[in-house]
Amino acid sequence: QSVLTQPPSVSGAPGQRVTISCTGSSSNIGAGYDVQWYQQVPGTAPKLLIFDNNNRPSGVPDRFSGSKSGTSVSLAITGLQAEDEADYYCQSYDSSLSIWVFGGGTKLTVL
Amino acid sequence: QVQLQESGPGLVKPSQTLSLTCNVSGGSINSGSYYWTWIRHHPGKGLEWIGYIRSSGSTYHNPSLKSRVTISIDTSTNQLSLKLSSVTAADTAVYYCARGGGKIPVYFDYWGQGTLVTVSS
Repeated sequence: QSVLTQPPSVSGAPGQRVTISCTGSSSNIGAGYDVQWYQQVPGTAPKLLIFDNNNRPSGVPDRFSGSKSGTSVSLAITGLQAEDEADYYCQSYDSSLSIWVFGGGTKLTVL
Repeated sequence: QVQLQESGPGLVKPSQTLSLTCNVSGGSINSGSYYWTWIRHHPGKGLEWIGYIRSSGSTYHNPSLKSRVTISIDTSTNQLSLKLSSVTAADTAVYYCARGGGKIPVYFDYWGQGTLVTVSS
């Protein structure tokens, strides 16, 4: 079981907005550790999508945004496009385990 | 643009040692305060952080892997390596190397393509 909990799948039609949740605990997200989001198209390397909760690396469209509240974070994708179909993973640090931790991943399907 | 590429045997027998190498190009492995990291992805499961090494040689690995993990760095060849001993079927996974950067605790801004390692007799 992953330390961070994500829904296994979400879906949306082109142009719509979808959100992916990631829930942690008081030893990771709730302790104030930043959260990252990674996008992985099957067969390719994971790509950093959001860092430090709500910052986008250069080249990532502003359709992707992150937010944080308490022990949970969310990734929002607006104006959904076919190319957004991928697996999405959240990641943080856990002070109790003293390791970097990930969510189990969410498969986004663009209908 | 930093690029990472993993290489190594795709099949390892149970009880043997898994050995992988990660070649870093587009930047020196010896520059900056990066955490050169190994991460694995078990089939059908989430990602698992294995450990890191810094250019100084300091390392730290996931306690759940006990003393089976050895991570080393060769600044002359710009490579890092992973050895995982006494493997079992549970170690079957896609193994990634990644660069840890940003503020502490770091995040992983560049990843390799990953290499599938199957543990089977």
